[in-house]
Amino acid sequence: EIVLTQSPGTLSLSPGERATLSCRASQSVSSSYLAWYQQKPGQAPRILIYGASSRATGIPDRFSGSGSATDFTLTISRLETEDFAVYYCQQYGYSPGTFGQGTKVEIK
Amino acid sequence: EVQLVESGGGLVQPGRSLRLSCVVSGFPFEKYAMHWVRQAPGKGLEWVSGLSWNSGSVAYADFVEGRFTISRDNAKNSLYLQMNSLRTEDTGFYYCASDPIASTGPLVPTYFDYWGQGTLVTVSS
Repeated sequence: EIVLTQSPGTLSLSPGERATLSCRASQSVSSSYLAWYQQKPGQAPRILIYGASSRATGIPDRFSGSGSATDFTLTISRLETEDFAVYYCQQYGYSPGTFGQGTKVEIK
Repeated sequence: EVQLVESGGGLVQPGRSLRLSCVVSGFPFEKYAMHWVRQAPGKGLEWVSGLSWNSGSVAYADFVEGRFTISRDNAKNSLYLQMNSLRTEDTGFYYCASDPIASTGPLVPTYFDYWGQGTLVTVSS
């Protein structure tokens, strides 16, 4: 199965700053089938990005995804207080779909 | 409003069984493949199992090892996970989640659109 490695493990930033999260795959992800989720404490994950760069319905445009093959990035252009959470990437190009271990974005 | 509501979690001893349920409303359940995804406390997400719209196509993660059975009742807008021979490492929140697109095709890997709030399964003696 494809292993996804997210970095950094924790990102300490202030509101208004830019966040750059990385997701690296152990092999090329087919057709950029890469998704990003946000999870807040006590809540279910929420889909943010699919197809590496397409925003899901209702997701603000400060969230953007990019990348291909083995290297993908989630960028939050200007952090709002509600953006502090854990973010997971997921590949769904190959079975089984697999998740990264997560990046926590915390308030500095 | 779309809602997925899981139930059936609880404390169970190793080797025992548990049946999880997920009741869906707000979208045409019978047209969507559905999945179970789990999360150990403080850990990451892990896909468990998926089932196509008509139950004709099913898949399980390797760690299931024949212990779990996924099923659905489209007349009741419900998804189930029968879990037998539970192990301590099965402890965690279990979420039901939907495919993003209605499909009459076989089950394929996908991202997950709608999620329930999760039900906690604790396997401990």
